[in-house]
Amino acid sequence: GESVGLHLPTLSVQEGDNSIINCAYSNSASDYFIWYKQESGKGPQFIIDIRSNMDKRQGQRVTVLLNKTVKHLSLQIAATQPGDSAVYFCAENRGNTGFQKLVFGTGTRLLVSP
Amino acid sequence: ETGVTQTPRHLVMGMTNKKSLKCEQHLGHNAMYWYKQSAKKPLELMFVYSLEERVENNSVPSRFSPECPNSSHLFLHLHTLQPEDSALYLCASSQAVPVTGELFFGEGSRLTVL
Repeated sequence: GESVGLHLPTLSVQEGDNSIINCAYSNSASDYFIWYKQESGKGPQFIIDIRSNMDKRQGQRVTVLLNKTVKHLSLQIAATQPGDSAVYFCAENRGNTGFQKLVFGTGTRLLVSP
Repeated sequence: ETGVTQTPRHLVMGMTNKKSLKCEQHLGHNAMYWYKQSAKKPLELMFVYSLEERVENNSVPSRFSPECPNSSHLFLHLHTLQPEDSALYLCASSQAVPVTGELFFGEGSRLTVL
């Protein structure tokens, strides 16, 4: 069945801390991964992506790490701000030929305290 | 503003009603999607259209009927729904299928079935 999942449903941090959100996936054939952020009352918003031929990719204050050996994905947010409070989803692009689809995890809620 | 607009934002309907959700994308994308987001469940892919042709119907009950008259517009027609169909329905678009880049999501239509 679908098995992109997140280890922690809620992560609480203090403003200024670094946050790490984790995600496990099960399909070793997945070749593309995306992190999305969803604020209350809004649709998911792209944060950063990574292809399976990479193990690390950096954006502005965010870093995604991919460990294909253990099928693990993480999102690191540096100097977390109250505006980072949201639900974060990982998604894997699953499919070998023809139609490929994004399979989403259950989400982790990040709460940032001032 | 993501370039994907959904209407209505909120909808309450009885089980015998017929209603439609509308999605419009202004991004020049060729693929459009309907996702269902329920509480405590991962985003579930419902339908995918590529160049106005349906390429995925993810075992969705026939009380949900999609329509894609052109590459910029996507509808979800609703008929004799059940209370368990209450959810946030998200429309998304991408440059192409298979997904090789991010999905752009709308803000969603919050559906309540009484």
